[in-house]
Amino acid sequence: DSGVTQTPKHLITATGQRVTLRCSPRSGDLSVYWYQQSLDQGLQFLIQYYNGEERAKGNILERFSAQQFPDLHSELNLSSLELGDSALYFCASSAGQVYNEQFFGPGTRLTVL
Amino acid sequence: KNQVEQSPQSLIILEGKNCTLQCNYTVSPFSNLRWYKQDTGRGPVSLTIMTFSENTKSNGRYTATLDADTKQSSLHITASQLSDSASYICVVRGGNYGQNFVFGPGTRLSVLP
Repeated sequence: DSGVTQTPKHLITATGQRVTLRCSPRSGDLSVYWYQQSLDQGLQFLIQYYNGEERAKGNILERFSAQQFPDLHSELNLSSLELGDSALYFCASSAGQVYNEQFFGPGTRLTVL
Repeated sequence: KNQVEQSPQSLIILEGKNCTLQCNYTVSPFSNLRWYKQDTGRGPVSLTIMTFSENTKSNGRYTATLDADTKQSSLHITASQLSDSASYICVVRGGNYGQNFVFGPGTRLSVLP
């Protein structure tokens, strides 16, 4: 158990819909990262927040947005869902911004029908 | 273009044997290089993190090396166990502010009894 929690574990929805994925970091960690893992593209970095501020941005689509709240939990919002958005979405947390070990959560499996 | 390549794509070894996985990268500027172990359907687990000045880092039976001049890294697994069967992913963090994460495609290791 990494100490990072993600909800829900599974999510099934239809194209065009909007969903919210939630992540609670390990106690004391200030950074939260979001990753997408699909079968054909492997792991991809989406975005990082550090202490409530956006720190780094990867291949995150404009239809996707994220935020980190004052209690340090984070949410990833996915809208106008397409079939290709079906993937495992992982959240990770770390103590610092760049050099610290990242601890991954169990992931949310999103299926778009 | 920032890229991370890994070889071999897959590897089968017998329990108790050693093996070495390779990672070549073209990410610049370089911040750090990480090796992760990922079991199917689960979040990656960090094995090692190496910065520019580190040549070798060990974590139990896992030893990673880094040659920043040739932009190559290797992960050596000693006395393999059945539980080592997993995907091993090399990730390079770079950019002037550490804002880039570039993931390799992974090496799928199968350890047979």
